[in-house]
Formats: sequence, structure tokens, C-alpha cells
Amino acid sequence: EAGVTQSPRYAVLQEGQAVSFWCDPISGHDTLYWYQQPRDQGPQLLVYFRDEAVIDNSQLPSDRFSAVRPKGTNSTLKIQSAKQGDTATYLCASSFKSQNTLYFGAGTRLSVL
Amino acid sequence: QEKVQQSPESLIVPEGAMSSLNCTFSNSASQSIWWYQQHPGKGPEALISIFSNGNKKEGRLTVYLNRASLHVSLHIRDSQPSDSAVYLCAVSYNQGKLIFGQGTKLSIKP
Repeated sequence: EAGVTQSPRYAVLQEGQAVSFWCDPISGHDTLYWYQQPRDQGPQLLVYFRDEAVIDNSQLPSDRFSAVRPKGTNSTLKIQSAKQGDTATYLCASSFKSQNTLYFGAGTRLSVL
Repeated sequence: QEKVQQSPESLIVPEGAMSSLNCTFSNSASQSIWWYQQHPGKGPEALISIFSNGNKKEGRLTVYLNRASLHVSLHIRDSQPSDSAVYLCAVSYNQGKLIFGQGTKLSIKP
């Protein structure tokens, strides 16, 4: 069974540029999560979906970040105008029903210069 | 707001000894408590979870949960160099929300 797939693995941007991250969850998993993990810190929840519906996006900086999961499968996280403070690894995870194990992708490492 | 605090920040343990990691959480409405392991350049992987007060054993791992004191601990018996990693405590809430602590970096010295 394929795991959670994320792309790209790395991204380097200048401040003000836009970037999109893509996630393909494990087949059949209804819940999908996006986390931001700054260097030497724990993952911080940005947003999560059940099927195509957003369950919680209260920690997503809505002025510059957006996330969609239009068909309840793949998801895209976008940063409109990146800042140096966005430098982090962006992790996608999926699970089958809430309260079950989360399976993580390898992440996208973003550097904003 | 839910908060998860881990201690210590880092830990060095001789090979073969017991490793003990701690975690406190702020909200008694939590569901399960999870421990994840993360190696450099990889995503976290789930190790063990606990829901009820008391302890749970799986192989070399033992978890203790005390909901009254909002405290959970992870103990790794007979620690091996391959156990060297960052260990993340995570607390789940209603509707599948999972909040992580900042992590404990464990190094096992041969």
C-alpha cells in the first residue's frame, strides 16, 4: 500500500513569491491534515479536512495561506506571498476516521530567503 | 487553547539503559495520547497510544497516563542506538484534532 506522497520535496523562494504544496493521502483515508514544522520544533496544525470539508483552519494565516481538498482526495496548500518566517517543513498526514493513527508524508522543506 | 509540553528537551542515555520521556497537556477533554518517533528528514511515525488511565506495554515501550495530573510518560527499555530520534507527544481531541508537543531529542550512546 502506498504511503502519503508529497511534492515537491524542497522549495527555495524569495520573500513575496508564491508556492504550492501538493499531497496525495493514503487511498480511502477520509481525514487529511497539514502541519507546519519549524526547525527543532514540533509540528503545528494549520488545517484539516474530513472529505472535502474544512474541520478546523483556525491556525491557518488566512491572509496568505489557503488549502483545498476539492474531491476529498488530494490536497493543495498554497502560500500567496511568502515571508522568511514561513521557513519550515510542511507535513501532510492522513487517517481513516478520527481518533485513528495519522500517517505522515516525508514533508516539503521550504526556505524563504 | 490546547497545549502540550514535553521534557526534557534532549536526553542522552547509554545503550541498554531505560529512556524516560515526559509530557503534560492542558485540556482534560483530550481523547487519546500518542507518541510519535521522527528521524531526520522524515515524517513522524506513530509508536503507541493510550486512552485510559494506567499503563500500556508494547514490546520495549511502556506508556503511563494520569488524567488527573494531565501527565503521560514514555519509557523505552533496553535502549538501542536505532532508538535515537526525536520523540513527539501528541494529544487528540474531538473530531480528530491532533496537537503535538515540541519534542524530545533522544540520543543513545553505544
